[in-house]
Amino acid sequence: EAGVAQSPRYKIIEKRQSVAFWCNPISGHATLYWYQQILGQGPKLLIQFQNNGVVDDSQLPKDRFSAERLKGVDSTLKIQPAKLEDSAVYLCASSQGQGPTDTQYFGPGTRLTVL
Amino acid sequence: GDSVTQMEGPVTLSEEAFLTINCTYTATGYPSLFWYVQYPGEGLQLLLKATKADDKGSNKGFEATYRKETTSFHLEKGSVQVSDSAVYFCALDGSSNTGKLIFGQGTTLQVKP
Repeated sequence: EAGVAQSPRYKIIEKRQSVAFWCNPISGHATLYWYQQILGQGPKLLIQFQNNGVVDDSQLPKDRFSAERLKGVDSTLKIQPAKLEDSAVYLCASSQGQGPTDTQYFGPGTRLTVL
Repeated sequence: GDSVTQMEGPVTLSEEAFLTINCTYTATGYPSLFWYVQYPGEGLQLLLKATKADDKGSNKGFEATYRKETTSFHLEKGSVQVSDSAVYFCALDGSSNTGKLIFGQGTTLQVKP
C-alpha cells in the first residue's frame, strides 16, 4: 500500500512570494490533515478535511493560507504572500475516518525556507 | 484549551538502559492519547495509543499507561537500542475525538552503543 505522498520535498522562496504544496493521501482515506511543524516544536494542525469538506480550519491563518481538496482526494495548501515565520515543515496526513481508532498516516513533509 | 507537555530533551542513554519520557496533558473530558516517533530522515509514525483511562498501549517494547488521576502518559522501555534513537512526540485527540491531534514539543532520544 502506497503511503501519503507530498511534493515538493524542499522549497526555498523569498518573503512575499507565493508557494503551493501538494498532497496525495492513501487511497480510500476520507480524512486529510495539514500540519505545520516549526523547528523544535510539535506539529500544529492547520486544516482538516473530511472528503472535500472542511472540518476544522480554526488555526489556519486565512489572510495568507488557503487549502482545497477538490474531488475529495488530492489536496493543495497555498501560502500567499509568505512571511519569514512561515519557514517550517508542512506535513500532510490521512486517515480512514476521524475517530481515535483511525490512525493518521503522515507523509514525508515539505520543508519550506522563506528568506 | 487542550495541551500536552513533554520532558525537555535531548535524552542521552547507553544501550540497554531503561527509558522514561514524561508526558502530561491538560484536557476537558476524556481524550485519546498517543505517542508518535520520527526516526532520522523519516516521517512521523504512530508508536502506540490508549483511548481510555487505565489502558496500556504497547509496541516494539515501548509501553505507556493512560493515568487520568495524574493526567499523564509516560513512555517507557526496559532496554533501549541504538535503533531507538529518534524524536518522540506525545499527542492527544481532545474530548471531541475528531482526529485533531495536539502534539507536545517532542523529545529527542539518542542511544549510544
